[in-house]
Amino acid sequence: DARVTQTPRHKVTEMGQEVTMRCQPILGHNTVFWYRQTMMQGLELLAYFRNRAPLDDSGMPKDRFSAEMPDATLATLKIQPSEPRDSAVYFCASAQAGETQYFGPGTRLTVL
Amino acid sequence: GESVGLHLPTLSVQEGDNSIINCAYSNSASDYFIWYKQESGKGPQFIIDIRSNMDKRQGQRVTVLLNKTVKHLSLQIAATQPGDSAVYFCAEIPSNAGGTSYGKLTFGQGTILTVHP
Repeated sequence: DARVTQTPRHKVTEMGQEVTMRCQPILGHNTVFWYRQTMMQGLELLAYFRNRAPLDDSGMPKDRFSAEMPDATLATLKIQPSEPRDSAVYFCASAQAGETQYFGPGTRLTVL
Repeated sequence: GESVGLHLPTLSVQEGDNSIINCAYSNSASDYFIWYKQESGKGPQFIIDIRSNMDKRQGQRVTVLLNKTVKHLSLQIAATQPGDSAVYFCAEIPSNAGGTSYGKLTFGQGTILTVHP
């Protein structure tokens, strides 16, 4: 049963610390998306990649967030330095280009 | 202080009833639509999809209807069960004009479905 995996599932950190979230897309999917979900804003697209190349990161605060795909089986989202307003659930999703996106279980981030 | 946040539409039904969840989409150029279900503490889960060249598509206990004239999408759940309780999102993907869409989803606000035993 192919699925998107994300680690860690939960992360509690202090303001100013670096946070790295990881995602393993479904094997064979060439498009990877990062979303953030909060009660205030709902689901927001942060960035997405196709064939490991970043296509759009306009939803991401550039000064502190960065997203990369070191290889086809790993996507990372990094926040440095983290702030309390970054507290949210971060989802990764993968798809074959233009087709249905399948979501991971999310990383619940709390920044104190 | 007053809490501020998204106020999602809610739908409460009795177990066994049929549920209809509605969604208005914004982009007349969208040609692919998806319904997702999100249970508490989990990621959105794919339910059913439909392309713009169709008006209706059926799955197991679910039916999606698309009305392009009024840009309206609905999800019908037959014989709703307590396990169907969740937030339901519609999402649209614009047509890949110029090859720039790459499947970028635009999500609706979501509807909270509560099923009472």
